[in-house]
Amino acid sequence: EIVLTQSPATLSLSPGEGVTLSCRASQSVSSYLGWYQQKPGQAPRLLIYDASKRATGIPARISGSGSGTDFTLTIGSLEPEDFALYYCQQRSNWPYTFGQGTKLEIK
Amino acid sequence: EVQLVESGGGLVQPGGSLRLSCAGSGFSFSSYWIQWVRQAPGKGLMWVSRTNNDGSSTNYADSVKGRFTISRDNARNTLYMQMNSLRAEDTAVYYCASGPVVGAPEYWGQGTQVSVSS
Repeated sequence: EIVLTQSPATLSLSPGEGVTLSCRASQSVSSYLGWYQQKPGQAPRLLIYDASKRATGIPARISGSGSGTDFTLTIGSLEPEDFALYYCQQRSNWPYTFGQGTKLEIK
Repeated sequence: EVQLVESGGGLVQPGGSLRLSCAGSGFSFSSYWIQWVRQAPGKGLMWVSRTNNDGSSTNYADSVKGRFTISRDNARNTLYMQMNSLRAEDTAVYYCASGPVVGAPEYWGQGTQVSVSS
């Protein structure tokens, strides 16, 4: 099973700031890495798939990059609605796995 | 409007059974892989099971293999999961999820709560 490790666990930032979240895989997942946002009481929302492709309706200020074992999610300028939990997920090998999450909180 | 609506959750004793359902609408249900993903209270996400567009191929997480069975009825646009021999550690919100990219579901339901306790 591929283990995904996200860092940091928590980030405290202010609206308007930029942020980069990291995800490292225990073995190569090629480009089959996605990012999800989850807010309390809600289902996850797909933001990015295949490392850098935006899902439907995702704004351009949200971007992803990476390949192999190291990936990043970048939010260019934080809006109030961006403060949430973020998960990375690989679809390279079954079982698909998620990272443990990074919580983005308002400073 | 794309919708996935789960039902069938509830409180069950250890060793008991439940059948979850997920009704899809607003998209080409029969064209896409579909899966169950769960989230234990205060915990992260775990992929439970998936099936291909016609139900001929299925995969399970090791922790549920032999106890859970995923199936779909494309005539009814509905996904199912039969859960037997339930354990306390199966307590979670269960989401169904689907979409055009295999393994990167864009459509998610609101989830159904399964609680296993005596």
